[in-house]
Amino acid sequence: KNEVEQSPQNLTAQEGEFITINCSYSVGISALHWLQQHPGGGIVSLFMLSSGKKKHGRLIATINIQEKHSSLHITASHPRDSAVYICAVHARGGGADGLTFGKGTHLIIQP
Amino acid sequence: GAVVSQHPSRVICKSGTSVKIECRSLDFQATTMFWYRQFPKQSLMLMATSNEGSKATYEQGVEKDKFLINHASLTLSTLTVTSAHPEDSSFYICSALSRGVYSNQPQHFGDGTRLSIL
Repeated sequence: KNEVEQSPQNLTAQEGEFITINCSYSVGISALHWLQQHPGGGIVSLFMLSSGKKKHGRLIATINIQEKHSSLHITASHPRDSAVYICAVHARGGGADGLTFGKGTHLIIQP
Repeated sequence: GAVVSQHPSRVICKSGTSVKIECRSLDFQATTMFWYRQFPKQSLMLMATSNEGSKATYEQGVEKDKFLINHASLTLSTLTVTSAHPEDSSFYICSALSRGVYSNQPQHFGDGTRLSIL
């Protein structure tokens, strides 16, 4: 069974700080998602990674397949970045499988 | 980008009521849809995988007779919580698997349904 561990569980930072959220998983995967869940529950998919690094605006996601580890970085953080960030993985075997989720990192950016 | 519409967004009803939740892919065909459940302060958990035109595949511990899934078309899957009880109160969210032009981001999420059973 694939276990997905995220750290930290909670993070409070000041506006402008550089944020890093980490994700580790236990078995081989075909892809990893970083998701953003807002207080109402709605989920936005930020990135899907199978190798290397992706960047979108102030968000950067990296993955190290050998070490079974991924990080999500937020540069120049802003209060509107406050949300729960979730790491989710597809088990190796293709994308037609449901995701396994981490418990999420609750991020609060204070002005 | 691809859009998934989930309805209703919130349901409050009495114990014993059956509740239907719809998940629609608005601008793409979804051969596979997933249903997830999230209890307060818990991670999302996969309940079942729904494939168009065939029976859903349920995860261990999820009662298929209680959570009825129908995926009758390439754009619609429904989850019916039958005879709901307070312990079924949860946040239910669907996602749809797309192919083709959106294949670089294959799962698209609905906004979820918050179900409260009194």
